[in-house]
Amino acid sequence: SAVISQKPSRDICQRGTSLTIQCQVDSQVTMMFWYRQQPGQSLTLIATANQGSEATYESGFVIDKFPISRPNLTFSTLTVSNMSPEDSSIYLCSVTNAGGNTDTQYFGPGTRLTVL
Amino acid sequence: AQRVTQPEKLLSVFKGAPVELKCNYSYSGSPELFWYVQYSRQRLQLLLRHISRESIKGFTADLNKGETSFHLKKPFAQEEDSAMYYCALKVTSGSRLTFGEGTQLTVNP
Repeated sequence: SAVISQKPSRDICQRGTSLTIQCQVDSQVTMMFWYRQQPGQSLTLIATANQGSEATYESGFVIDKFPISRPNLTFSTLTVSNMSPEDSSIYLCSVTNAGGNTDTQYFGPGTRLTVL
Repeated sequence: AQRVTQPEKLLSVFKGAPVELKCNYSYSGSPELFWYVQYSRQRLQLLLRHISRESIKGFTADLNKGETSFHLKKPFAQEEDSAMYYCALKVTSGSRLTFGEGTQLTVNP
């Protein structure tokens, strides 16, 4: 399995500011995903981070609000831009193809974001 | 579009009792189904997947295509099974997961 770390683990931010979350994997992976888990709700996919090309966003999520970078096969960032209290959530990085197994997704510990 | 439904947000059983966490899905093709678990203060992790047909920590789950269900079962629940359980579906290999709403299982002593 892959070892995934996220920074920061948590943050409290002011409305209107932006926060960049980092995801680091200890091995090269084909696919990286960013999920959001709002309080009391399930996980919702924000986008798939593609190495060498633009991220693929799910319905309801746009690049201007959630810009994503994926400069190599072990690292990605998600920025939450112009934050509002509604963005308070846990943001999770996930990877697949870790260890050659394309069917299993592994999750990072999450970043707990609170927007005041 | 595919959808995963877990009808019970909360489920409470006593230690040693059988437990079944329900999961139903809607998808016209042949999906891959998974159960993920999140213990308190730990990250989300894979518990089992239907193609492996394995038993993990005493849990099993059988894919019933006729009923479009993938219920998670354990004959004798343990206190350490208390956790949040998510059922998830994937339509093609390597693509994204669609999660259910989750079921919080509490096993009482």
